[in-house]
Amino acid sequence: DTGVSQNPRHKITKRGQNVTFRCDPISEHNRLYWYRQTLGQGPEFLTYFQNEAQLEKSRLLSDRFSAERPKGSFSTLEIQRTEQGDSAMYLCASSTIRDRNRNTIYFGEGSWLTVV
Amino acid sequence: AQRVTQPEKLLSVFKGAPVELKCNYSYSGSPELFWYVQYSRQRLQLLLRHISRESIKGFTADLNKGETSFHLKKPFAQEEDSAMYYCALRNNDMRFGAGTRLTVKP
Repeated sequence: DTGVSQNPRHKITKRGQNVTFRCDPISEHNRLYWYRQTLGQGPEFLTYFQNEAQLEKSRLLSDRFSAERPKGSFSTLEIQRTEQGDSAMYLCASSTIRDRNRNTIYFGEGSWLTVV
Repeated sequence: AQRVTQPEKLLSVFKGAPVELKCNYSYSGSPELFWYVQYSRQRLQLLLRHISRESIKGFTADLNKGETSFHLKKPFAQEEDSAMYYCALRNNDMRFGAGTRLTVKP
């Protein structure tokens, strides 16, 4: 499968612990996005990167959240001091303007976080 | 601010009936709109884009700038169309509506 890959797929953690999710985008996709999705809601934008530069951050992304894409390839999303309200599906997506489906974003299967 | 509204959380039709999933948007520029679909146990995937003016799996969607709408339509629904459907608007990032769960009954 050469699609967007995320791991871990599921994470259960105790409140107050830190968690990190990894996303591997489709090869050569220069844009990478993080979204959060809770039950009954559509994906909510968190942040996106163009290459290694983080270009936009939602105000949903509190200072406990940090995302990196150090070499412009994979990305990590870290949540520090997790709270129960952080329980959600964290979706990663990628895109490129260089193919005929420009601006189409491709999603990973997501990482489920449960904070207990 | 860009916003996407899908007024129906749930929509249920019988097989062979027409279906329309509503989407309204607010955006100050020229919008680029999409429909994404998520079938059971699968990842979110693109269904169609308004600029392609295409029909995918029998679905079409027309951008109506006057009504700021991008409703998704299919004349004859099939059971395999049962899924979550999300309308999305693209600026630099993609903003999604809350989604509509379509159930097509036999």
